[in-house]
Amino acid sequence: GIQVEQSPPDLILQEGANSTLRCNFSDSVNNLQWFHQNPWGQLINLFYIPSGTKQNGRLSATTVATERYSLLYISSSQTTDSGVYFCAVREGTYKYIFGTGTRLKVLA
Amino acid sequence: NAGVTQTPKFRVLKTGQSMTLLCAQDMNHEYMYWYRQDPGMGLRLIHYSVGEGTTAKGEVPDGYNVSRLKKQNFLLGLESAAPSQTSVYFCASTWGRNTEAFFGQGTRLTVV
Repeated sequence: GIQVEQSPPDLILQEGANSTLRCNFSDSVNNLQWFHQNPWGQLINLFYIPSGTKQNGRLSATTVATERYSLLYISSSQTTDSGVYFCAVREGTYKYIFGTGTRLKVLA
Repeated sequence: NAGVTQTPKFRVLKTGQSMTLLCAQDMNHEYMYWYRQDPGMGLRLIHYSVGEGTTAKGEVPDGYNVSRLKKQNFLLGLESAAPSQTSVYFCASTWGRNTEAFFGQGTRLTVV
């Protein structure tokens, strides 16, 4: 099956700093999403981005499907950005494969 | 729109007890999924459904049963709970095979 690797596994930032999270996947995919799991455990949709670039406020994402990676950019980080960031790709028709996540802590 | 709603949010069970988790979506999505999340293992697919009246096994189906009697609801059952089923359970839905997935808020289950 498809392997999804995220890096870094852990990240600590000062408020206001920028960061880039990476998601590598081992095979071609036709579906990729980024999620933020907040400290209360909720999974929040960030981007549905099988290819190309999208932006939403301080967050943006780029997926280069031909090179099998996706990047999530967080600019001017805030303490509310803390949590775990997952990328997930679809394998076959129905199955989502999640990476093990990047745990982000933003310090005030 | 409420999106995807899971009931209950928290539950503690004794070993051997049974329970049902309810997932409801109001987006008229065809596909629904149950995942479990364990530390260091990400999310793993338990069962899924491609439409009303259908169910199929995912990666880790043992010890669970599901039903999709109505399009908007997907039920996950534990017939005889075991401590290994202590986990956080997420339900998700998608409109089509290859569209954005929406997740519920999760159910934290502890089996003692």
